[in-house]
Amino acid sequence: DAGITQSPRHKVTETGTPVTLRCHQTENHRYMYWYRQDPGHGLRLIHYSYGVKDTDKGEVSDGYSVSRSKTEDFLLTLESATSSQTSVYFCAISDETGGEKAFFGQGTRLTVV
Amino acid sequence: QKEVEQNSGPLSVPEGAIASLNCTYSDRGSQSFFWYRQYSGKSPELIMFIYSNGDKEDGRFTAQLNKASQYVSLLIRDSQPSDSATYLCAVKLGPGNTDKLIFGTGTRLQVFP
Repeated sequence: DAGITQSPRHKVTETGTPVTLRCHQTENHRYMYWYRQDPGHGLRLIHYSYGVKDTDKGEVSDGYSVSRSKTEDFLLTLESATSSQTSVYFCAISDETGGEKAFFGQGTRLTVV
Repeated sequence: QKEVEQNSGPLSVPEGAIASLNCTYSDRGSQSFFWYRQYSGKSPELIMFIYSNGDKEDGRFTAQLNKASQYVSLLIRDSQPSDSATYLCAVKLGPGNTDKLIFGTGTRLQVFP
């Protein structure tokens, strides 16, 4: 695997609680992405970053925020978790804008009860 | 109309046969096309990319692109049971659109001995 690690790998949380997922890379890639994957929807982009402190929204950003204070770390926060945010979350890194040739982390399975 | 469409399958082929996976896209300005393989419970892995009309071969894999028909396909020759996975088509939308990588929902391939 490319040097990309997600934590935690599994999490169960209660509705209304904040949750933070972490993505850590050792590849020094400029671009980092958070996707969610749901049956029937495929991979959908939540937020992405094109540099330290530079982030932007993807197609399904409502209810999520991100931060990137260091090149290697990209955090995804669910401000107040809802059951609709139960999903598998993937972080990806790329040297190319648009996420071309992206390498994916192992994924985080999040369940909101 | 979804931006990237794939038949969800499953596509079942016997070992040794050619598996043909298809993908259509809606944005005529799209320039870059990718195929990812995802084993059950694992993260997507890039296996092919193609930018120009025609065929691109890499080992047992051939990507085919027809921009006029807005169609991209992946052929897997001499299919093996280890090729059983979900194959995701991804398209980088053209300039002035979102300049993001949009994924299809994937086609599940089953190769039986």
